[in-house]
Amino acid sequence: ELKVEQNPLFLSMQEGKNYTIYCNYSTTSDRLYWYRQDPGKSLESLFVLLSNGAVKQEGRLMASLDTKARLSTLHITAAVHDLSATYFCAVHYGQNFVFGPGTRLSVLP
Amino acid sequence: EPEVTQTPSHQVTQMGQEVILRCVPISNHLYFYWYRQILGQKVEFLVSFYNNEISEKSEIFDDQFSVERPDGSNFTLKIRSTKLEDSAMYFCASSDTGVMTEAFFGQGTRLTVV
Repeated sequence: ELKVEQNPLFLSMQEGKNYTIYCNYSTTSDRLYWYRQDPGKSLESLFVLLSNGAVKQEGRLMASLDTKARLSTLHITAAVHDLSATYFCAVHYGQNFVFGPGTRLSVLP
Repeated sequence: EPEVTQTPSHQVTQMGQEVILRCVPISNHLYFYWYRQILGQKVEFLVSFYNNEISEKSEIFDDQFSVERPDGSNFTLKIRSTKLEDSAMYFCASSDTGVMTEAFFGQGTRLTVV
């Protein structure tokens, strides 16, 4: 059974700082996804990572995938308040997507 | 831009009642999913559906749950006899069969069982 872990689970950071969220998974998979969820809202797709060494960037967020280490990272550069949300990684496995527990990010002024 | 739509956005039901949650997936997608999220918690897989049949289901998806694609556009989740612990946000998602296989999620139905 695939297990997906994230850390940290809670992250409070000041505007302008950098930080990285980590996503580990237990079984081989070559497809990993990052989603953002605002409170009470749906899951918004951020990145699709399809191969070892894949790196995607959008604005202040950059995601990477190391399939050998079964690790993905979501790096936040110069955080702003608008990035406050919960971030989930999800791994495609069989006929479904297995989600990590989420990282709740608060960016403080 | 194509999107997954779900109705209703909020449903309140009495314990023991049947509920049907409705979803219209993106039109050219072939895989459909239901997930649920208890408030503030993990996104849990319920079931995936392909080619008019269940392709995978979790242990949560017991005999009280069923899914159906009654026509060419709708995808429904039925809970036969709701329990208090079924209260959650239910998300429908769909994906295509291409390399990306990215799942697009609807806005969710908040189910409250009283």
